[in-house]
Amino acid sequence: DGGITQSPKYLFRKEGQNVTLSCEQNLNHDAMYWYRQDPGQGLRLIYYSQIVNDFQKGDIAEGYSVSREKKESFPLTVTSAQKNPTAFYLCASSLGTARGYTFGSGTRLTVV
Amino acid sequence: AQSVAQPEDQVNVAEGNPLTVKCTYSVSGNPYLFWYVQYPNRGLQFLLKYITGDNLVKGSYGFEAEFNKSQTSFHLKKPSALVSDSALYFCAVYGSGNTGKLIFGQGTTLQVKP
Repeated sequence: DGGITQSPKYLFRKEGQNVTLSCEQNLNHDAMYWYRQDPGQGLRLIYYSQIVNDFQKGDIAEGYSVSREKKESFPLTVTSAQKNPTAFYLCASSLGTARGYTFGSGTRLTVV
Repeated sequence: AQSVAQPEDQVNVAEGNPLTVKCTYSVSGNPYLFWYVQYPNRGLQFLLKYITGDNLVKGSYGFEAEFNKSQTSFHLKKPSALVSDSALYFCAVYGSGNTGKLIFGQGTTLQVKP
């Protein structure tokens, strides 16, 4: 079945360490997105990519980095510069405008 | 500015009663509108969308939404709520300029009590 897979589901990180969250899709979607969700809050866009080898900053890109070397993959690195990284991270993909997004099941990152 | 507003943080209804989750939007041009549902510790799931055509859109799990252009609204409705409908609901609209990005509301928690 086609879908979008995020791994791991739960991730623990020590302060000062970088960590990479995986997002893979086999839907042949061009666009991919990373969102952050905090308790009781909506979705905040971190980065997005509309085509391979190109990506743009979203609303809260500071302390995060991404790459888009393959159409299927859009990994997110949470760097030590991110001051408050504990959150639920959602990856999404889309075939284009008006098609909506398909979301992964999320990764819960906790800094210990 | 392009935006989506969900004026209620939480909606409480009794099981079997009708429910409405409100959404208003502000975007230039014709809006492409979506509703998503999120269960705890899960990703968002697509419920329904309005692109064009009939103002009443039917979606998954018995939900429907009515597009009202004059009121710039896209309220989510269900005739008879179930306890299992309890979740977080997001309204979203595509911004103008063909950016391909959805603009999400803040979300409304629906609590259905037995």
